[in-house]
Amino acid sequence: GIQVEQSPPDLILQEGANSTLRCNFSDSVNNLQWFHQNPWGQLINLFYIPSGTKQNGRLSATTVATERYSLLYISSSQTTDSGVYFCAVERTTDSWGKLQFGAGTQVVVTP
Amino acid sequence: KAGVTQTPRYLIKTRGQQVTLSCSPISGHRSVSWYQQTPGQGLQFLFEYFSETQRNKGNFPGRFSGRQFSNSRSEMNVSTLELGDSALYLCASSLRGSDTQYFGPGTRLTVL
Repeated sequence: GIQVEQSPPDLILQEGANSTLRCNFSDSVNNLQWFHQNPWGQLINLFYIPSGTKQNGRLSATTVATERYSLLYISSSQTTDSGVYFCAVERTTDSWGKLQFGAGTQVVVTP
Repeated sequence: KAGVTQTPRYLIKTRGQQVTLSCSPISGHRSVSWYQQTPGQGLQFLFEYFSETQRNKGNFPGRFSGRQFSNSRSEMNVSTLELGDSALYLCASSLRGSDTQYFGPGTRLTVL
């Protein structure tokens, strides 16, 4: 199956700092999503970004499909940004709603 | 538009019992996927349904099964529960399957 690697595994930030999370994947994909999991377990969809660049407020993401990686940028971090960030991909040959998740990046934003 | 809903939110069962979890997708979504999340294995795909047909299945034993109804609501069943089945079970809905998936709040299952 496809391998999805996220880095770093853990990140501690001071409020107001910027950060970059990385997701590498081992095969071509037709779906790539970034999620934020809150302390209650809810997975919040941040971006659907199989290629290109998108921005939503303080968050932005870039996927370079030809080089098989995606980046999630968090700017001016806030304590509410704390949680686990997951990258998930659907391999082109798998299709049909099968997302393969990375292990996640645990982010802690301190006041 | 209402989000994905899952019931029940919490369940406690004993080994050997069976359990049924329910997922109601976003209105208009026809694809429902199920995932299991554990501290050791992370998030793993169970299966996906579209128009009452299972189109994709993960690497789980036959004790894990599911179905989808004509209104796109889905249920998953786990028979002969084992301690290792304790997990957060998440369902996600999307329009077609290979597009943006939206997750429900999950059902936390504890097997004693």
